[in-house]
Amino acid sequence: DARVTQTPRHKVTEMGQEVTMRCQPILGHNTVFWYRQTMMQGLELLAYFRNRAPLDDSGMPKDRFSAEMPDATLATLKIQPSEPRDSAVYFCASGLPTLKDRGAGELFFGEGSRLTVL
Amino acid sequence: ELKVEQNPLFLSMQEGKNYTIYCNYSTTSDRLYWYRQDPGKSLESLFVLLSNGAVKQEGRLMASLDTKARLSTLHITAAVHDLSATYFCAVAPWNAGNMLTFGGGTRLMVKP
Repeated sequence: DARVTQTPRHKVTEMGQEVTMRCQPILGHNTVFWYRQTMMQGLELLAYFRNRAPLDDSGMPKDRFSAEMPDATLATLKIQPSEPRDSAVYFCASGLPTLKDRGAGELFFGEGSRLTVL
Repeated sequence: ELKVEQNPLFLSMQEGKNYTIYCNYSTTSDRLYWYRQDPGKSLESLFVLLSNGAVKQEGRLMASLDTKARLSTLHITAAVHDLSATYFCAVAPWNAGNMLTFGGGTRLMVKP
């Protein structure tokens, strides 16, 4: 059963602490995305990787957020230092880009990491 | 900047009724996606619309795409309680691979 796996599912931390979220994309998918979901802003794109290379992170606050793909089976999103306004659900998604790459372009989402920063 | 707007944002309807959710977007694209999200859960892919005039149906839901009008609709026929969820449309601009921009979502509540 192919699915995107995210850890942790829930994280409560205090302001100023470092938070690392991890994602294992579906095997064979070469695009990976990080989205943040809040009631006020909805779903915001934070980072986009293709073949492990970062293609777009314009939606990510650069001073405290960083995203990497150390290998094809792992994507990480790190917040340092965390702030209460970072409280949200962070989703990882993976997919195949377009018909040219044999995919319809749809993204498959993980269960999300719910972050609460006190 | 690509804008994707859904309306209504909130919809309360009776079981058995029909209704349509609208998704407008601001840039050229021939690919549009609909997702469903239950409270506290992940996003589940419902429909992938890949060309002008595309129509997909699954059960009581039918989605269509008009790329000239930059409009997609999600039609609900004879709603049932199990359809209660938040529905998102998402658009991939023609030159952006599968980098999706999501609408704000439509929260649907179907009452018995």
